Amino acid sequence: DAGITQSPRHKVTETGTPVTLRCHQTENHRYMYWYRQDPGHGLRLIHYSYGVKDTDKGEVSDGYSVSRSKTEDFLLTLESATSSQTSVYFCAISGGQHSGNTIYFGEGSWLTVV
Amino acid sequence: SQQGEEDPQALSIQEGENATMNCSYKTSINNLQWYRQNSGRGLVHLILIRSNEREKHSGRLRVTLDTSKKSSSLLITASRAADTASYFCATDFSGGGADGLTFGKGTHLIIQP
Repeated sequence: DAGITQSPRHKVTETGTPVTLRCHQTENHRYMYWYRQDPGHGLRLIHYSYGVKDTDKGEVSDGYSVSRSKTEDFLLTLESATSSQTSVYFCAISGGQHSGNTIYFGEGSWLTVV
Repeated sequence: SQQGEEDPQALSIQEGENATMNCSYKTSINNLQWYRQNSGRGLVHLILIRSNEREKHSGRLRVTLDTSKKSSSLLITASRAADTASYFCATDFSGGGADGLTFGKGTHLIIQP
């Protein structure tokens, strides 16, 4: 497995509460990503980062924010969780151009918003 | 959406048979990748084929790419129960750019023992 650790792995939270998911990598890869996976939708990109403090929005960024203060850590925050954000969240990393953009995934974080 | 589309959505075969999954996409690509996802786990990279390649092999996997038809196929030969998983194609439009890959919705493969 690539050196990617997601925490927490499982969380149940109430609507309206803030939630932060953490991704930690030990590979020193430049690019980091947050995807969500939902039945019928496959994987969809939420936000990505191309360096420390450099982030950008993906396909489904509304309701989410991210931060990357260190190369190894990429945080995903749901400011006010909604039931539509119940999903499996995957962090991923990539070395970028020289690796052909091959992406390595973490094991996922299961989030339930009740 | 520019995501690839896998076909079929689900496939059930007997152990030992070959499994073929297809992927179609909409715009020009730099490369196309296939990933596997076991239930409850993250995706694992299987194979990458570049836009100037037509066929690539890795063990029991064979991937073809037809850029004129904007399609790719993944063949798993001599299937095993452990091959039961979901398989995703992912397209790279940006040539290694920061915005990653675009994934299809996957083919769920079941290998019957």
